[in-house]
Amino acid sequence: ETGVTQTPRHLVMGMTNKKSLKCEQHLGHNAMYWYKQSAKKPLELMFVYNFKEQTENNSVPSRFSPECPNSSHLFLHLHTLQPEDSALYLCASSQDRGLADTDTQYFGPGTRLTVL
Amino acid sequence: GQQVMQIPQYQHVQEGEDFTTYCNSSTTLSNIQWYKQRPGGHPVFLIQLVKSGEVKKQKRLTFQFGEAKKNSSLHITATQTTDVGTYFCFLGGTASKLTFGTGTRLQVTL
Repeated sequence: ETGVTQTPRHLVMGMTNKKSLKCEQHLGHNAMYWYKQSAKKPLELMFVYNFKEQTENNSVPSRFSPECPNSSHLFLHLHTLQPEDSALYLCASSQDRGLADTDTQYFGPGTRLTVL
Repeated sequence: GQQVMQIPQYQHVQEGEDFTTYCNSSTTLSNIQWYKQRPGGHPVFLIQLVKSGEVKKQKRLTFQFGEAKKNSSLHITATQTTDVGTYFCFLGGTASKLTFGTGTRLQVTL
């Protein structure tokens, strides 16, 4: 496997629920990413963290709240989501973001989210 | 913002036929990467191109970076069923907004 794990793998939630997605990487990387993959937009970048600091927020609605307590862990807190937020949420990590043009991203298996 | 179009969106070939996907950017790129995502899987890195006009090969896969560094192609010779999946180009680099292309889904049948 790629060294990036995500839990849960599947999640069904109502619009009033609060849930969290978890990502963990065992590769010693410094950058971590959240992507949304749906039929409408195949791979859409949401957030980037480099050395625990958020460096990019791709105009994501505030109902998605990321958290990066350390370089190995990344969370995506979800609340009051809409049905159109149903998608595959992919986490990725890379050695760095910003210092090199050659970083390869390693993806986790994703969390399949369904919002009812 | 940066537009990254891939064509075609979908291609269905018979095993043994060739396949090509093209990635076109509206801006000059510092580098480009290619990823493959199998059905039900996650994107996996294939290769990175950095130099203008660069060509790299991986067995039956040939990757090319355009002379103007605004486009790239991935060509598969004699496709096999194991090539099934969606192929994405990716624009990274320090000066770029991280963007994946729209993807080309390849279906291969016997």
